[in-house]
Amino acid sequence: QVQLQESGPGLVKPSETLSLTCAVSDYSISSGYYWGWIRQPPGKGLEWIGTIYHSGSTNYNPSLKSRITISVDTSKNQFSLKLSSVTAADTAVYYCARGGATILNEAFDIWGQGTMVTVSS
Amino acid sequence: QSVLTQPPSVSGTPGQRVTISCSGSSSNIGSNYVHWYQQLPGTAPRLLIYRNNQRPSGVPDRFSGSKSGTSASLAISGLRSEDEADYYCAAWTDSVSGWVFGGGTKLTVL
Repeated sequence: QVQLQESGPGLVKPSETLSLTCAVSDYSISSGYYWGWIRQPPGKGLEWIGTIYHSGSTNYNPSLKSRITISVDTSKNQFSLKLSSVTAADTAVYYCARGGATILNEAFDIWGQGTMVTVSS
Repeated sequence: QSVLTQPPSVSGTPGQRVTISCSGSSSNIGSNYVHWYQQLPGTAPRLLIYRNNQRPSGVPDRFSGSKSGTSASLAISGLRSEDEADYYCAAWTDSVSGWVFGGGTKLTVL
């Protein structure tokens, strides 16, 4: 059964770069699928951050695009998120998830458990 | 304010049927699939309905989805206490080439 697991620092200082990794098990990323990052500020709703295809092509949330980099490392079977110049507004639970096999508008069917990231000095 | 509009809360008694609406536009719901997610307290979201009205394996048939024009609905029949959760609709938006989520609806089982 495919599983996703987020990892990274739980505390990031303002103006620094948030870096998270999503390790995928029981499926080879290089075989296909879109892979995404979604976040949820405390007590609020879900916000899509961005999606990457196994080939490396990306789609980013326009409101975050200038600060986001999503990449895939097929050798480690994982994909990563970098969010630069963070502020307190970036404090959230960050989820990674699997999207459609070949089509962008398919649902995120498998989610990681999420990792809480707090931005504070 | 979310691009997809959901009621903040709905409630019902055990056994009752409730519906949650999700309103969008021609560039998202009107031209793409709608998906629904259930988020139990303290857990990650779980896919509940995909492609407007399809249930993943393991989702009870008490949950059903529908779509008409630029709106969609999630119906839960035979309400149970374990259905108490937050529910989110989502759709791809062609105009920005990205995903949009509804603001979420908190279901309370009285």
